[in-house]
Amino acid sequence: SVLLYQKPNRDICQSGTSLKIQCVADSQVVSMFWYQQFQEQSLMLMATANEGSEATYESGFTKDKFPISRPNLTFSTLTVNNARPGDSSIYFCSSTTNTEVFFGKGTRLTVV
Amino acid sequence: GDQVEQSPSALSLHEGTGSALRCNFTTTMRAVQWFQQNSRGSLINLFYLASGTKENGRLKSTFNSKESYSTLHIRDAQLEDSGTYFCAAENTEGADRLTFGKGTQLIIQP
Repeated sequence: SVLLYQKPNRDICQSGTSLKIQCVADSQVVSMFWYQQFQEQSLMLMATANEGSEATYESGFTKDKFPISRPNLTFSTLTVNNARPGDSSIYFCSSTTNTEVFFGKGTRLTVV
Repeated sequence: GDQVEQSPSALSLHEGTGSALRCNFTTTMRAVQWFQQNSRGSLINLFYLASGTKENGRLKSTFNSKESYSTLHIRDAQLEDSGTYFCAAENTEGADRLTFGKGTQLIIQP
């Protein structure tokens, strides 16, 4: 299995500011992903974090709004730029072994 | 349309009883996972299935790729089973990416 440590666990930020979320894996992993979950809704895949290159974004998510870094095989960051109340949600990082997908505990973001 | 259709959206059970959750897939999936999301929002891996049935304590899950569905059975429900349950599936092109169902909000009543 893979353990993923996210920080912060939660944060409150002002509209227009930026917030960076970190994800650290306890071992090297090939694939890392970021998901967004609005309250009482399902998780939506935002992007695949690619080691040493630009992330691959899903429809509706852009690198300008959600820049992602992946400098090595154990670490990734997700930044929420120009945060708005509509960005208030839980953000999860995720990774895989050959058979299973694992998630960090999530970062609950509230934008006021 | 949605690739993963999960039902029911909400379920209330009395302690000691059981029920089943179901996910239907509109495209061929190569594997499915079930998660429980607790009150703090954390996701707990329950099962990973590429086929067949797995059992763990009071939970049992089946994945039938040919008929495009998966089920999660809960028996002898306990208060701590309350939470939101999600199925998530990898399609054959998935490259480890998951498509989630909309979740089932499970409430266990004394």
